[in-house]
Amino acid sequence: DIQMTQSPSSLSASVGDRVTITCRASQRISTSVNWFQQKPGKAPKVVIYAASTLEIGAPSRFSGSGSGTDFTLTISSLQPEDFATYFCQQSFRTPYTFGQGTKLEIK
Amino acid sequence: EVQLVESGGVVVQPGGSLRLSCAASGFTFDDYTMHWVRQGPGQGLEWITLISWDGGSTKYADSVQGRFTISRDNSKNSLYLQMDSLRAEDTAMYYCAKDKGGAFPEVYMDAWGKGTTVTVSS
Repeated sequence: DIQMTQSPSSLSASVGDRVTITCRASQRISTSVNWFQQKPGKAPKVVIYAASTLEIGAPSRFSGSGSGTDFTLTISSLQPEDFATYFCQQSFRTPYTFGQGTKLEIK
Repeated sequence: EVQLVESGGVVVQPGGSLRLSCAASGFTFDDYTMHWVRQGPGQGLEWITLISWDGGSTKYADSVQGRFTISRDNSKNSLYLQMDSLRAEDTAMYYCAKDKGGAFPEVYMDAWGKGTTVTVSS
């Protein structure tokens, strides 16, 4: 199985900050990475797919990059509604494994 | 609007069985691959299975292979998960999710239900 190692596991930041979350795959997976946002008690929703494509309806302050084994999710200017848990996921090969998650908290 | 509504989650004893359902609406159900994803209490996400649009292809995570069976009834716009030989570690929120239906590398779940809770406990 492809392992997805996500870091950091938690992050404290302030409104207006720029933050970056990283994910490393255990083997090369092209650009087959998706990023999900999950708020407490809610289902996840995709914000970035295929490593760098912004999902329709997701704010433009979200961006993704990477290819091969290393991927990043960046939020350019944190807004109050962005405080949530973020997960990366590889869709290169089943099982479609997720990273462990990054909990983004208000400083 | 795409809607996915899961049902069937209950408290069940270890070794027991359960069938989850997911009712789909707002899209042409039989055009899309569908997934089940679970999340243990306070835990991360675990993809567990998918089924192709026609039911002809299924994939499973090792953790559920041989115990869980995914199926669909396109005439009823419904997805199912038959769960047998349940274990305490199967305790989780179970989500059904719709595949975007894109070509590689645009493979992802673009719509999710609210989930149904399965608790395996004696």
